[in-house]
Amino acid sequence: QAVLTQPSSLSASPGASASLTCTLRSGINVATYSMYWYQQRPGSPPQYLLRYKSDSDKRQGSGVPSRFSGSKDTSANAGILLISGLQSEDEADYYCLMYYSGAWVFGGGTKLTVL
Amino acid sequence: EVQLVESGGDLVQPGGSLRLSCAASGFTFSNCNMNWVRQAPGKGLEWVSYITSSSSTIYYADSVTGRFTVSRDNAKNSLYLQMNSLTAEDTAVYYCATWDSGPTGWGQGTLVSVSS
Repeated sequence: QAVLTQPSSLSASPGASASLTCTLRSGINVATYSMYWYQQRPGSPPQYLLRYKSDSDKRQGSGVPSRFSGSKDTSANAGILLISGLQSEDEADYYCLMYYSGAWVFGGGTKLTVL
Repeated sequence: EVQLVESGGDLVQPGGSLRLSCAASGFTFSNCNMNWVRQAPGKGLEWVSYITSSSSTIYYADSVTGRFTVSRDNAKNSLYLQMNSLTAEDTAVYYCATWDSGPTGWGQGTLVSVSS
């Protein structure tokens, strides 16, 4: 079982909100870790969005709109990237990233379609 | 502003070697931990290696352990990845990136193709 699991795709309408999840493998407690989120558009390198560990320990990327925010769902053992007020330019691949046991681990990525 | 420029990607035969470089500017490179990340065509991101600012700690993904070696020269603001015993599975765009020690940024990547 992968350390980080993301749904492969998600669709949402312009103006709506999208909640992208990154679920940790059973036995790894999401509350303990910082989770990073990246956006990647086709043909471009990933862009840092934010890091989230808790409401008191988080960091927004420079120039990243506040409609991108992080949180955790401890009951689901998952990190969450919430995008509000979806725009067509938000259509991209989104990756979560975490440091675990001597390695950095990416989730498999979620392709967000805005239609 | 963080600027990272990778170079050294090429077409190489299976079993061959290649050395990638990453030139850093716009930030205090010597204070930053650095990473190599790769992305195979049409696939997701795969972390490859991590080196701390002083080179005191180095990590590798299991898929490259024993074949790849990361290093840095803080005097030259440069990061390197020596890749040996390359296979087709190493074909990817290789990025250098920093994210956990202050500034964040990724390069544009350099393409490594392993094929006969």
